[in-house]
Amino acid sequence: NAGVTQTPKFQVLKTGQSMTLQCAQDMNHEYMSWYRQDPGMGLRLIHYSVGAGITDQGEVPNGYNVSRSTTEDFPLRLLSAAPSQTSVYFCASSRSPGEGVRGYTFGSGTRLTVV
Amino acid sequence: GDSVTQMEGPVTLSEEAFLTINCTYTATGYPSLFWYVQYPGEGLQLLLKATKADDKGSNKGFEATYRKETTSFHLEKGSVQVSDSAVYFCALNQAGTALIFGKGTTLSVSS
Repeated sequence: NAGVTQTPKFQVLKTGQSMTLQCAQDMNHEYMSWYRQDPGMGLRLIHYSVGAGITDQGEVPNGYNVSRSTTEDFPLRLLSAAPSQTSVYFCASSRSPGEGVRGYTFGSGTRLTVV
Repeated sequence: GDSVTQMEGPVTLSEEAFLTINCTYTATGYPSLFWYVQYPGEGLQLLLKATKADDKGSNKGFEATYRKETTSFHLEKGSVQVSDSAVYFCALNQAGTALIFGKGTTLSVSS
């Protein structure tokens, strides 16, 4: 089925470890983004990309890196995990950042715990 | 900057009750407005949308009207079901910018 695929679904890390959250979409969407969801905070934008080779920071980028080498993939890297990065992470894609017709397509999320 | 404010939850209702979840926004220009729903353990799904003033979005019995004069986009449903229990997010975006979300409202419906 067409959509946004995130892996893994669950992950536990120790403080200081690094890891990559994977996100792939098969809809040929140019725009991809990463959000984190925390209780009482809603969804906050971490990084986004408007096309292959182009990335930019969102509201809460510190501690995260991204790259966009292909249209399909947009991995999120945690360089040195901290307990404050315990959250649920969602990847989303759309044809454009200002998609006013179909909205964004979201992945099912990655629940990350940093101990 | 642009922002979305929605009523805090949780909202607890009995089945067949009327639902209103308030959402107001602050934005320059003319944003598109959305309601997303998140069922337990899942990602967000687009519930309904409106792209200009006075538009009414509707889906699955839910409705919301884009009110520019009051900068609001309140979500309503005439008769909720247990299966409507979820977290509801109001959101906006404008051309060239990312979606901005409210903090979410948890709805719990009991039979």
